[in-house]
Amino acid sequence: EPEVTQTPSHQVTQMGQEVILRCVPISNHLYFYWYRQILGQKVEFLVSFYNNEISEKSEIFDDQFSVERPDGSNFTLKIRSTKLEDSAMYFCASSLGRSSGNTIYFGEGSWLTVV
Amino acid sequence: GQSLEQPSEVTAVEGAIVQINCTYQTSGFYGLSWYQQHDGGAPTFLSYNGLDGLEETGRFSSFLSRSDSYGYLLLQELQMKDSASYFCAVRAPGSARQLTFGSGTQLTVLP
Repeated sequence: EPEVTQTPSHQVTQMGQEVILRCVPISNHLYFYWYRQILGQKVEFLVSFYNNEISEKSEIFDDQFSVERPDGSNFTLKIRSTKLEDSAMYFCASSLGRSSGNTIYFGEGSWLTVV
Repeated sequence: GQSLEQPSEVTAVEGAIVQINCTYQTSGFYGLSWYQQHDGGAPTFLSYNGLDGLEETGRFSSFLSRSDSYGYLLLQELQMKDSASYFCAVRAPGSARQLTFGSGTQLTVLP
């Protein structure tokens, strides 16, 4: 069964450093997302991406965050200058299209620890 | 804004039936979804209700009442592997794709 894959599974970085989290969405999907989950809390929406541009973003997705689809398969989340409070699990997700309801497919996540 | 409320914890024994409730407040409604998450792993889609009534998928069923802003996930013939967190989610008003999740219900299945 097709799946969303993410790398790295776990990254430790120092505060102020840049981090890039990588994702390969399901190949025929058109919408891509980043969500995050702080330990013990609910899953929170960061950003959605369609047709090579951001379609929606949340208040969490401030100027230190950016997303990119550098080629036909990868989808990346960059955090320019990490803060302690950025420590969380970051989930990439994808969905097929408008008719897919609320069904989105999540990757296994990248656990980011900022020290 | 939106809010979703669900119980924080539910415990049941193997073979039993458990119901996880979710009430929501949202200015626009585009259906209620349920996701399962094991130990902080990938949330996995379980079920979606766009209209009132019951949707059945194997041992799992989901129900929606739009007039009551209420839904539930019903898990039958519980198995140990069903121990996980279960999240209800709605699409954000004015949003094409953004999902807002509830805080999750931790289900523990006892032998």
